Amino acid sequence: DIQMTQSPSSLSASVGDRVTIACRASRRIDTFLSWYQQSPGKAPRLLIHSASTTLGGVPSRFSGSGSGTDFALTITNLQPDDFVTYFCQQTYSRPTFGQGTKLDIK
Amino acid sequence: EEQLVESGGGLARPGGSLRLSCAVSGFSVSGYSMNWVRQGPGKRLEWLAYINDGSGQIFYADSVKGRFTVSRDDARSSVFLQMNSLTDEDTAVYYCAREALSGHWYFDLWGRGALVTVSS
Repeated sequence: DIQMTQSPSSLSASVGDRVTIACRASRRIDTFLSWYQQSPGKAPRLLIHSASTTLGGVPSRFSGSGSGTDFALTITNLQPDDFVTYFCQQTYSRPTFGQGTKLDIK
Repeated sequence: EEQLVESGGGLARPGGSLRLSCAVSGFSVSGYSMNWVRQGPGKRLEWLAYINDGSGQIFYADSVKGRFTVSRDDARSSVFLQMNSLTDEDTAVYYCAREALSGHWYFDLWGRGALVTVSS
C-alpha cells in the first residue's frame, strides 16, 4: 500500500490567515491526489482532485498543488467555517488516506 | 439533493455479524461505482470495498477480504455491506461513498456514517 503522511497533524491560525497543509506519498503517484474537508458529525466533502482541480462550488480560497510525492493544500483568507479537519487521499492505486490535519482557531 | 444515508450500525459481539445499508437519493445509483470507507477511533480513514457500476466488479481491502461482502440493488437505490466475523478492530464509523468517475478512486459524495461497535 502507498502510505500517506500529512503535516502538521494540527495547526492553529486566525481568521484571514493563509495556511498550507502538506501531504507526502511513500512513492510517486503523479497527480493522483485528492483533498477532503470534514466537519465533526458531517460527511466528508471533496475539495480537490487530481492534485489541483477544485470542485465546482468550492471557494477559490482553496487550492492544491504538487506532483510525484509531495503535495500541498493552501487555504487563503481563512473563514470561520474552515476550522475543521482536512485529509489527503492517494488515488493512484486502491485508495489510502493521510492521518488528517485539524485546523483550529488561534 | 443528492444524498447517501447509512443505516444498520450498532453493537455487535466479537464473531458476530452486521449488515449496513446505504440509501441513495437525488441521483441514480446505477450510473456510479460505490465504495465503503471506515474510520476507527483515533485512526485514519480506511478504504474497505468497491463495487463497480456496470460489470459488478468488486474489490476489497485485505483487512476485510473474506469477511465482508459488498453488494448493490440499483432498483432499490441501495448499497450494502455484510460484515461477518467481526472483531474489536472493526469498531469504526462506516461511510458509504460515491466515486465521481468509475475507477478514479476519488469520492465526491459521502454519507454521514454509521457507527459500528464490536464489544463483548
